[in-house]
Amino acid sequence: SQQGEEDPQALSIQEGENATMNCSYKTSINNLQWYRQNSGRGLVHLILIRSNEREKHSGRLRVTLDTSKKSSSLLITASRAADTASYFCATASNAGGTSYGKLTFGQGTILTVHP
Amino acid sequence: ETGVTQTPRHLVMGMTNKKSLKCEQHLGHNAMYWYKQSAKKPLELMFVYNFKEQTENNSVPSRFSPECPNSSHLFLHLHTLQPEDSALYLCASSRRTNEKLFFGSGTQLSVL
Repeated sequence: SQQGEEDPQALSIQEGENATMNCSYKTSINNLQWYRQNSGRGLVHLILIRSNEREKHSGRLRVTLDTSKKSSSLLITASRAADTASYFCATASNAGGTSYGKLTFGQGTILTVHP
Repeated sequence: ETGVTQTPRHLVMGMTNKKSLKCEQHLGHNAMYWYKQSAKKPLELMFVYNFKEQTENNSVPSRFSPECPNSSHLFLHLHTLQPEDSALYLCASSRRTNEKLFFGSGTQLSVL
């Protein structure tokens, strides 16, 4: 079953506004990661937050993690047209009791930033 | 440029063809992955190789056959595919499993 689920599925904003995307998941995790994908290209890693962390910043990105609610949010401040892309959360957990990890992606949020 | 190179970028094949996708990384990573991305579906993990050993086969049909000859190279051999196999196939690598992934640009596959 799908681990991470993003909300909303699509978000349309004006340049300069903030964009918030949410991710919910079902099982315990080692860490949660956010990725960005421009149309038809590979994904690019944005930020990783570990299960014992609550908030992390990277430039205009702010990620929060609430393990009690099994949810995370990605905030992009002062958005730009170049931020237009799909954004995915991915949860990392150990696969079936093994020692190696497995990264499971959600369906993504399509963000459109209008100039 | 992520350091992960995939070839070809585009591939059109008939259902009776045999083709291979190639992925290469020189990042010193120990784990390599194949993902499938179809329209309106989440990214699906297909295979994981950790230190050249296959550690995950996510119920992938046998018409997809992975090969990992060394830690830097990963192949996906394709034969007798179906039109529903048309998708973007993404290769990724990471230093260890559970760490951040570096993705290639993908191969856009069309099966006619």
